Amino acid sequence: AQKITQTQPGMFVQEKEAVTLDCTYDTSDPSYGLFWYKQPSSGEMIFLIYQGSYDQQNATEGRYSLNFQKARKSANLVISASQLGDSAMYFCAMRESGTGNQFYFGTGTSLTVIP
Amino acid sequence: DAGVIQSPRHEVTEMGQEVTLRCKPISGHDYLFWYRQTMMRGLELLIYFNNNVPIDDSGMPEDRFSAKMPNASFSTLKIQPSEPRDSAVYFCASGERSEAFFGQGTRLTVV
Repeated sequence: AQKITQTQPGMFVQEKEAVTLDCTYDTSDPSYGLFWYKQPSSGEMIFLIYQGSYDQQNATEGRYSLNFQKARKSANLVISASQLGDSAMYFCAMRESGTGNQFYFGTGTSLTVIP
Repeated sequence: DAGVIQSPRHEVTEMGQEVTLRCKPISGHDYLFWYRQTMMRGLELLIYFNNNVPIDDSGMPEDRFSAKMPNASFSTLKIQPSEPRDSAVYFCASGERSEAFFGQGTRLTVV
């Protein structure tokens, strides 16, 4: 079974609007962490945001927020007020404490911001 | 801290040659990961270390690939002999429990 599922291969959003990128995960480990990364066309992987499985509140970092729904095993990334520079691939990832903190990545979502 | 530093940024080599990719993790991070990224297979975890000790190398494609972490500030990924299908971007990442940062990657082309 896939550990991380990103069902949206591509997304479009109008500049200045908000967009939600979906991510669901599969784990039986009670202790895990969820991450989002941005990969622009230049190729680097940029760490955006982290959510721990025991965190009570949704993580936020500037215009990024993580909509963490533990019972549904989803960790969607919300980008508010989209900018042209947000156009990139976005990867969701998970680390499980029980598997020695190995990193599992989804297949990514390509986001295009339209002016 | 300058972040995770990988070298070289680009490498073009002939089939059969040995290739060594280098990584300097962020100081204080106790985990180090090596990934390979291709269009066909996406991001693949090759191997990762915890406190310089290899924990899981099940992602290493075959015996031609080897990785070492002789100390907390340096790791290498070696391919010997290289083949055209090894062409990819190789990323090194270092982290702790709640963060993990990637290097800029090494774009390897084997001709």
